[in-house]
Amino acid sequence: NAGVTQTPKFQVLKTGQSMTLQCAQDMNHNSMYWYRQDPGMGLRLIYYSASEGTTDKGEVPNGYNVSRLNKREFSLRLESAAPSQTSVYFCASSATGGHTEAFFGQGTRLTVV
Amino acid sequence: GDSVTQMEGPVTLSEEAFLTINCTYTATGYPSLFWYVQYPGEGLQLLLKATKADDKGSNKGFEATYRKETTSFHLEKGSVQVSDSAVYFCALSEVQRGSQGNLIFGKGTKLSVKP
Repeated sequence: NAGVTQTPKFQVLKTGQSMTLQCAQDMNHNSMYWYRQDPGMGLRLIYYSASEGTTDKGEVPNGYNVSRLNKREFSLRLESAAPSQTSVYFCASSATGGHTEAFFGQGTRLTVV
Repeated sequence: GDSVTQMEGPVTLSEEAFLTINCTYTATGYPSLFWYVQYPGEGLQLLLKATKADDKGSNKGFEATYRKETTSFHLEKGSVQVSDSAVYFCALSEVQRGSQGNLIFGKGTKLSVKP
């Protein structure tokens, strides 16, 4: 069972470069999420998608864009990377929002130099 | 807005010691409460949850009781093992009008258990 798969696992970017983080889930979940994890900050929601075809901003959306390509896939794009975006990024999915369990990918460690 | 506050770590214990990690929350309604665990190099995974007041969630020897009167959801384990070393996150989810109730996390508490 793959669950939630993220690629890549590690990435180093130069300031101003762009990249897309990929995420796919095989659990037929409606809701998908992108979080960033920074030391002492916990997890903060960047964007989420409550269902195929919809996306909404979370707590820290600036500098990011997302695409819910289909029910399985939810990508996160950094158009012009900045050192402040150095973080560990997690994709997650759940059957719906609210009280249902969220399943997380293994994370992407991104460094912007 | 809704928020979660949990005790800061790191917490270092000897094997077989008793564990408590405190978690309190602020919410306008009746949230569901969760504990997630993150082992080194991995994503988060659900440890336990409770969806209404006085519910007790339990899993792998860990327990937490939803206390509405004190707005708390403290995590406990009677005898920790080295394999319990991880970061523990308290979280809540509250479905409200116009919101599907996304998870709100505390900052995490790192637990290290020494043999």
